[in-house]
Amino acid sequence: QTVVTQEPSLTVSPGGTVTLTCSSSTGAVTSDYYPTWFQQKAGQAPRTLIYSTTNKESWTPARFSGSLLGGKAALTLSDVQPEDEAEYYCLLYYDGYWVFGGGTKLTVL
Amino acid sequence: QVQLQESGPGLVEPSETLSLTCTVSGGSITTIYYHWTWLRQLPGKDLEWIGYIYYTGTTYYHPSLKSRVTLSVDTSRNQFSLRLSPVTAADTAVYYCARYESTLRLFDPWGQGTLVTVSS
Repeated sequence: QTVVTQEPSLTVSPGGTVTLTCSSSTGAVTSDYYPTWFQQKAGQAPRTLIYSTTNKESWTPARFSGSLLGGKAALTLSDVQPEDEAEYYCLLYYDGYWVFGGGTKLTVL
Repeated sequence: QVQLQESGPGLVEPSETLSLTCTVSGGSITTIYYHWTWLRQLPGKDLEWIGYIYYTGTTYYHPSLKSRVTLSVDTSRNQFSLRLSPVTAADTAVYYCARYESTLRLFDPWGQGTLVTVSS
């Protein structure tokens, strides 16, 4: 059973910087896992922010960036805005199927 | 601009079959590199990738659901479908369809989702 792990919750102050991570029970996450990050706000469907580790959708604000960090996939938010408060999910690829992380609830306070 | 819309019963009895259809508008389901995807979000907010299908009928399923899931595609109607059987209360979820672009590895767009409750 492959498990993808994210921080359950994080809190950041407006204007601050925060990094969310995504790890795999199989070992280090590499670009071959095509890490994808989604943002979900209450009552809405998830929306892709980052795909294939670092690529941004047309609507992804410049303050969001994806990377690999210490064997994990990472999503960094700089100059955090109140509207960034949401649930964030990562998704990893495993030889024919995909597995979501449990999500990180980001609070902007 | 491609849009996806899920449809199907909102209530299914335990041990029966859950059947949903996703209608694709604004683009052809036979476009190369696009795989048509089903995902779900459980009441506790966990997301699950169920599987996807290419217009040729080639399918990929999550190992944990593979024994109960069947995906199909109807190119004449520009639709693809999910069947899950037998269902239990643990299959209660919001079901989403989405497009997956295999060269970019991108899931976008998504449908708005439809709630399916498994209960007698």
